[in-house]
Amino acid sequence: QVTLRESGPALVKPTQTLTLTCTFSGFSLNTRKMCVSWIRQPPGKALEWLALINWDDDKYYNTSLKTRLTISKDTSKNQVILTMTNMDPVDTGTFYCARMVWDGYNNFDYWGQGTLVTVSA
Amino acid sequence: SYDLTQPPSLSVSPGQTASISCSGDKLEEKYVSWYQQKPGQSPVLVMYQDMKRPSGIPERFSGSNSGNTATLTISGTQAMDEADYFCQAWDIRTYLIFGGGTRLTVL
Repeated sequence: QVTLRESGPALVKPTQTLTLTCTFSGFSLNTRKMCVSWIRQPPGKALEWLALINWDDDKYYNTSLKTRLTISKDTSKNQVILTMTNMDPVDTGTFYCARMVWDGYNNFDYWGQGTLVTVSA
Repeated sequence: SYDLTQPPSLSVSPGQTASISCSGDKLEEKYVSWYQQKPGQSPVLVMYQDMKRPSGIPERFSGSNSGNTATLTISGTQAMDEADYFCQAWDIRTYLIFGGGTRLTVL
């Protein structure tokens, strides 16, 4: 079955760079149409899509955050990595990774359990 | 950029029909998905391609998309349906977008 799990620091300081890893199983990012995205959610607020990487190593970013984000994959480890630079307290929230099948409908059919990141000095 | 707008909250009595709207410019030209999120849990896909239910989602959930508005309808709403609901679409310029979410209260 498909599973995804996020990992990374629970606490980062302002101005630091956040690095999160999504480790998945049950599918391969070498398979055509497979994609993994990162999505975040501040406490009590809405979901916000951050970035996506596909089977062909194409990368898509939230235009508002593009200058701060980098997404990459390590297919040998079944991992997708997100870095977010210049962290600020307003970036505090739960970060999810999720699978998407690029089929024109483009929705997230499997999600990780999320990892809470707090930005504080 | 492309935006999706949802009402912040909706209250229904058990057994009633809940209709949650999601508005966007010419939204009918895009495919809309819906996610249910209960407190402390990850979102769950409950509707995709406007009106298709993933396996395991009860038949009381249905969807539609016409004009500028997509709607998630829950018929015979149950207490277990109390949750936040988010719509989502793909736009060629903005890529993936979520609505602001609707908190459904069943009381």
